[in-house]
Amino acid sequence: QSVLTQPPSASGTPGQRVTISCSGSSSNIGSNYVYWYQQLPGTAPKLLIYRNNQRPSGVPDRFSGSKSGTSASLAISGLRSEDEADYYCAAWDDSLSGGVFGGGTKLTVL
Amino acid sequence: EVQLVESGGGLVQPGGSLRLSCAASGFTFSSYWMHWVRQAPGKGLVWVSRINSDGSSTSYADSVKGRFTISRDNAKNTLYLQMNSLRAEDTAVYYCARASEDYGDFAFDIWGQGTMVTVSS
Repeated sequence: QSVLTQPPSASGTPGQRVTISCSGSSSNIGSNYVYWYQQLPGTAPKLLIYRNNQRPSGVPDRFSGSKSGTSASLAISGLRSEDEADYYCAAWDDSLSGGVFGGGTKLTVL
Repeated sequence: EVQLVESGGGLVQPGGSLRLSCAASGFTFSSYWMHWVRQAPGKGLVWVSRINSDGSSTSYADSVKGRFTISRDNAKNTLYLQMNSLRAEDTAVYYCARASEDYGDFAFDIWGQGTMVTVSS
């Protein structure tokens, strides 16, 4: 049972826009930044979004993040087959004094 | 090239110990906070531990507190994770990750390839 809650799966067709939600609490998302990671099969995770809605250099602007209260979301527009991966939200948790990840969302491009 | 390379994984019996290493290259290791993240087979990412840049401050997930110890040797550009009293549920790929100076303390911009730890009799 992860501290941050994500849907286990999401799907879309090429060109479509999909969103992945991440629900937390006042001690994590509610009071700290949210980060998003993409993990392609068999590889290490890659930083996708930092500080709620910022993209590292090299990440396409098709990826965007947002946060409201104790929830956050990742949106992917213009879906491509290479976006098929697992996506994880993450944040620091002040109550736990530790980091927390969501359970991950497996994105399938139909 | 900026990279992290883990080593030290393997098969260990329940109750046993293992020390993981993470060799850093291509950047000023001593300037960065470092983390360990693990992933059980077919499961999601789980944060394990972090250490600040000079090694004076550490944090642990409740599941490993009192059993695991994170440390670093800045002269050797190496991060460590000493794992004692290992349990079957510690079986996972262990990644070391660098926390970005620019993107926030939980923004892991560089990851190692991971090292597999299997706890089984």
